[in-house]
Amino acid sequence: AQKITQTQPGMFVQEKEAVTLDCTYDTSDPSYGLFWYKQPSSGEMIFLIYQGSYDQQNATEGRYSLNFQKARKSANLVISASQLGDSAMYFCAMREAKDDKIIFGKGTRLHILP
Amino acid sequence: DVKVTQSSRYLVKRTGEKVFLECVQDMDHENMFWYRQDPGLGLRLIYFSYDVKMKEKGDIPEGYSVSREKKERFSLILESASTNQTSMYLCASSTASRDRGQEQYFGPGTRLTVT
Repeated sequence: AQKITQTQPGMFVQEKEAVTLDCTYDTSDPSYGLFWYKQPSSGEMIFLIYQGSYDQQNATEGRYSLNFQKARKSANLVISASQLGDSAMYFCAMREAKDDKIIFGKGTRLHILP
Repeated sequence: DVKVTQSSRYLVKRTGEKVFLECVQDMDHENMFWYRQDPGLGLRLIYFSYDVKMKEKGDIPEGYSVSREKKERFSLILESASTNQTSMYLCASSTASRDRGQEQYFGPGTRLTVT
């Protein structure tokens, strides 16, 4: 079974609008971490934001925030005031406490329209 | 500034050749990883290493081997390249410390074509 599910293979959003990229995860480990990465067309993977399973508040980093709903096992990425440079592939990922490995979802390709 | 470098951005090899992909990190990270990325399949873990000379198989190790003789360097080896190994290869590293999330830092990737 997939541990990380990203149901939106592609999205088109108008510039300056807010964007929500969906991510659900599956784990029985009570301690885990959730990550979002951005991959522009150049290919490098850029770490955006991290949320620990015991963190009380939703993580924020500049225009990025992680909408963490633990009971629903959901970790959506919210990008406020989208910019053309946000066009990229976005990956949700999870690390369980027992592991040093990170499991990645299949990604969502985001297109920002001018 | 954190840095992970990979020896080549683009590589073209012939079927049957032995291929070495090199990765170097300057962050003194204990963990290093090799992934391949294919359209529609996301990132798949080939091998990882949590210490010098230590390695563990990931999800798709067949046809690959690795070497970690020094902490900063992690090499991926294709013993006899085949066309189904044409892919983007990404190297990453992370700390082993559990104080934080152990986010992985990635290199720029090597796009390998096997003809």
